[in-house]
Amino acid sequence: SYVLTQPPSVSVAPGKTARITCGGNNIGSKSVHWYQQKPGQAPVLVIYYDSDRPSGIPERFSGSNSGNTATLTISRVEAGDEADYYCQVWDSSSDHQVFGGGTKLTVL
Amino acid sequence: EVQLVESGGGLVQPGGSLRLSCAASGFTFSSYWMSWVRQAPGKGLEWVANIKQDGSEKYYVDSVKGRFTISRDNAKNSLYLQMNSLRAEDTAVYYCASSIYLSDGMDVWGQGTTVTVSS
Repeated sequence: SYVLTQPPSVSVAPGKTARITCGGNNIGSKSVHWYQQKPGQAPVLVIYYDSDRPSGIPERFSGSNSGNTATLTISRVEAGDEADYYCQVWDSSSDHQVFGGGTKLTVL
Repeated sequence: EVQLVESGGGLVQPGGSLRLSCAASGFTFSSYWMSWVRQAPGKGLEWVANIKQDGSEKYYVDSVKGRFTISRDNAKNSLYLQMNSLRAEDTAVYYCASSIYLSDGMDVWGQGTTVTVSS
């Protein structure tokens, strides 16, 4: 089955740029979605189809996808961005939705 | 307001059954794929199952095949998950979520309902 690999944690100072990666075999050929989840809350879609932002999501959130790595980039990081972030794809070869293991973003 | 509200969670003994429900409002439920996603305590998100708009296609994670059944009633704007032969490892918060296409991101999520499997 298809596997998505994320770093367990990323730390960044306020105002700097955070990059969270999501690795998968030829993930560039798939559509990647990203979710933000704060403690005790349901996930929120922050990026869909690699790089599109739902309404209400700040422009500071962006995404890219190529080769074997998709990346969620958060510019000008704020304390309120501290959360767990998950990547997700639909794997048509197995008819499975697949989530990455999640990355905890810590704002220093 | 677009909303999904789960219910039906609780404490159940190993081997028991539970039926989760998800009530949709504020959008055209029958136009969306629906999914169940769970999160074990302290763990990440795990997709459980999804169902096509008309119920004609259903997909399951391997660990629940043959034990869980996803269904929907478009007339009642409701999604269900029948869970049988429950195991301790099924303990989790269960979320329902929606997407227009199977390959879309899940753009609306419920608040979750907690299932605890324990003797």
